[in-house]
Amino acid sequence: QVQLQESGPGLVKPSETLSLTCAVSGDSISSTHWWSWVRQPPGKGLEWIGEIFHSGITHYNPSLKSRVTISVDNSKSQFSLRLTPVTAADTAVYYCLRTYCDYTSCFYFDSWGQGTLVTVSS
Amino acid sequence: QSALTQPASVSGSPGQSITISCTGTSSDVGTYNAVSWYQQHPGKAPKLMIYDVNKRPSGVSNRFSGSKSGNTASLTISGLQAEDEADYYCSSYTSSITYVFGTGTKVTVL
Repeated sequence: QVQLQESGPGLVKPSETLSLTCAVSGDSISSTHWWSWVRQPPGKGLEWIGEIFHSGITHYNPSLKSRVTISVDNSKSQFSLRLTPVTAADTAVYYCLRTYCDYTSCFYFDSWGQGTLVTVSS
Repeated sequence: QSALTQPASVSGSPGQSITISCTGTSSDVGTYNAVSWYQQHPGKAPKLMIYDVNKRPSGVSNRFSGSKSGNTASLTISGLQAEDEADYYCSSYTSSITYVFGTGTKVTVL
């Protein structure tokens, strides 16, 4: 069973860079699946940030595209999120997840990390 | 891209059936059978309940079912139970090679 674990600073100053890493276990990061980031501001709904394939191909939410970079490290079985510059509006729980995709089906999020709260504040 | 539209809240008594709608556009729900539904209890990560419009992952109760007509997808919970009280989100793949979530629906068991 795949497991995902987010890690990174819980507090980031405005105008600086939010950096998170997701460690993947129980599945090869080089499989047929994609790997995504989703965030949820306190008391609000879910927002898809973007995804990456093990080859490095990425797709981003157009509303965040200018500020987001998602990268993958196949040797460490992890992928990362970088968001810059941040404002208070970027305060949220950030989830890393697997976007399931194989020869039978695709396009859904079947495994989620527990989430990590990132607060943007000076 | 705009969020898919869901009712803010839906309620029902134990044993009843409820339906949550998820309205998108011809660029997402209306074109792709890539609609999924997620259940989220307070303080927890979302859990996949339905994928490909109407398929249930292993381990999800058959009281949960999904359907789609035009630009609107629906999640039905039959035999409502106290444990079903949670927030529910739909999601769809889009023609822009992105994903969009619904606005979320709070389900209350009376």
